[in-house]
Amino acid sequence: ETGVTQTPRHLVMGMTNKKSLKCEQHLGHNAMYWYKQSAKKPLELMFVYSLEERVENNSVPSRFSPECPNSSHLFLHLHTLQPEDSALYLCASSQTGTDQDTQYFGPGTRLTVL
Amino acid sequence: AQSVAQPEDQVNVAEGNPLTVKCTYSVSGNPYLFWYVQYPNRGLQFLLKYITGDNLVKGSYGFEAEFNKSQTSFHLKKPSALVSDSALYFCAVSYYSSASKIIFGSGTRLSIRP
Repeated sequence: ETGVTQTPRHLVMGMTNKKSLKCEQHLGHNAMYWYKQSAKKPLELMFVYSLEERVENNSVPSRFSPECPNSSHLFLHLHTLQPEDSALYLCASSQTGTDQDTQYFGPGTRLTVL
Repeated sequence: AQSVAQPEDQVNVAEGNPLTVKCTYSVSGNPYLFWYVQYPNRGLQFLLKYITGDNLVKGSYGFEAEFNKSQTSFHLKKPSALVSDSALYFCAVSYYSSASKIIFGSGTRLSIRP
């Protein structure tokens, strides 16, 4: 266990559904990330929340919206997704300013959009 | 532009033989270099990192990596492969201690045959 948990582990949804992915870190870190991992593609950084900055990848569609209510919790809200959004969604956390961005990952949520 | 390349999609090694997984990078300034491993249906797990100092870095599970500045490489190595080392390996690079500045390679699948 890395100290980063994600729920649910598996999610199947239709294109008209609204769902949320949840991530929680128990490491006392101050930065959290969402990544998308698709088959045979590089890991894609979607969003970053940290004390220093909030970063959004401009190529991420607006049907994905992040929420970070505090430094331990991160959500990814999903609505009107497309089949090509099916992927493994990974959450990570790190302590910025130390460890030079060693990121610790959760187990991921396997999302299937029908 | 900052980038990282893993030139091999797949590496096959017999158990007990040495293994090498290649990684090259391109960054301006001094790089921070990482290796992560991903087992099936799991998130990425941190293996080792190079920040500064000794060019040979030792990490988890008997893995090590050598930083070569002249060749801009950071190859992952292990003297004697185990079947349990079979997994997907990612090299990553950042050039600044900032949450959004880390770039992952596309991954190399390592397969160890008994």
